[in-house]
Amino acid sequence: QKEVEQNSGPLSVPEGAIASLNCTYSDRGSQSFFWYRQYSGKSPELIMSIYSNGDKEDGRFTAQLNKASQYVSLLIRDSQPSDSATYLCAVAMNTGFQKLVFGTGTRLLVSP
Amino acid sequence: GAVVSQHPSRVICKSGTSVKIECRSLDFQATTMFWYRQFPKQSLMLMATSNEGSKATYEQGVEKDKFLINHASLTLSTLTVTSAHPEDSSFYICSAGGRQETQYFGPGTRLLVL
Repeated sequence: QKEVEQNSGPLSVPEGAIASLNCTYSDRGSQSFFWYRQYSGKSPELIMSIYSNGDKEDGRFTAQLNKASQYVSLLIRDSQPSDSATYLCAVAMNTGFQKLVFGTGTRLLVSP
Repeated sequence: GAVVSQHPSRVICKSGTSVKIECRSLDFQATTMFWYRQFPKQSLMLMATSNEGSKATYEQGVEKDKFLINHASLTLSTLTVTSAHPEDSSFYICSAGGRQETQYFGPGTRLLVL
């Protein structure tokens, strides 16, 4: 079992719709979770971090965390073509060394 | 805040030469920096964790004598690819560790070895 799992996609949504990206992780002791966006040919860019169960909202983005189910998700409201990118879920493993384990990413395509 | 730079952004070199890549945290001090490699259409692969003033910790399968890492200050880490070969051609990305295990990525360095 991979430590962090994501559906590779592509996930296709029309402009204006809600895009839902999902991620599961294996280490029950993990406390810190991150979503990064990576455009083709570019490096990852931090979108959101989440540390507690529940929802965390930032503009059009909402991160959701359920530690009991070992599940973290990212919702993008009012999706725009500029949101088309690969979204990486990252989990800080309970090693004390600040190391992140990344999923393989979900490719999102937002069509005009 | 949390700006990380990398230099150079792109480098082309001949097989057998060494290439040095610099990673700087511009507006914060980073005790820990990380070096990743990403091949086309693949995920990020952590190569090593660099701690200021101490030896880097390499991931399994990464040759420490080939990928030399120096973290001489709280704002600078360097990766030197020694005796580069075409199979080392890749996108090398550094990140700097911030609060609560957040990592901020540099823009990456695209290496092409001929």
